[in-house]
Amino acid sequence: DAGITQSPRHKVTETGTPVTLRCHQTENHRYMYWYRQDPGHGLRLIHYSYGVKDTDKGEVSDGYSVSRSKTEDFLLTLESATSSQTSVYFCAIQDTANYGYTFGSGTRLTVV
Amino acid sequence: LAKTTQPISMDSYEGQEVNITCSHNNIATNDYITWYQQFPSQGPRFIIQGYKTKVTNEVASLFIPADRKSSTLSLPRVSLSDTAVYYCLVGDLMDSSYKLIFGSGTRLLVRP
Repeated sequence: DAGITQSPRHKVTETGTPVTLRCHQTENHRYMYWYRQDPGHGLRLIHYSYGVKDTDKGEVSDGYSVSRSKTEDFLLTLESATSSQTSVYFCAIQDTANYGYTFGSGTRLTVV
Repeated sequence: LAKTTQPISMDSYEGQEVNITCSHNNIATNDYITWYQQFPSQGPRFIIQGYKTKVTNEVASLFIPADRKSSTLSLPRVSLSDTAVYYCLVGDLMDSSYKLIFGSGTRLLVRP
């Protein structure tokens, strides 16, 4: 959908291990975002990027880091996964044509 | 960011028109109103966006009164596949620091 893919789609990992989720876009959009979605909390912004090497924190950034070394890839890293980070993670890009956001299909992460 | 208030849930039947109203009393002059739809296990999908009066596309209509303190998403002749969560968001799309902040949305259930 609109050239945005997330990988992996599903992952199970152990507490304390580092995990990296990848968001890849093919349309050269400047803005990219990472959200998490949990029951009862809706979507919450973790980090976002407004260009290569330009990132900033969102509402729930503790325990997460991001990197954007090239326009097409935005990586989200859980430095030491905890059970509270079990969630569905969505990446999004902003369409500069209508300023609407396009979301990826999500990554379901389970930390055991 | 202007805060929005929506009903938590709504029920409807196939073939009916559904109107979901969003309140945004402190909307700013440069703010646009955007609606997203989310199906289970998928990322939100952009539906419609407007600034004032009425906007219509192939999916929905958006009605915005002159004072812009509320907006109404209208879904004509809903089907079972319109069962989803609908989010209303308000913000200055042209502001480089603008980020989508989601509320709890309205859970629409369409019954046969």
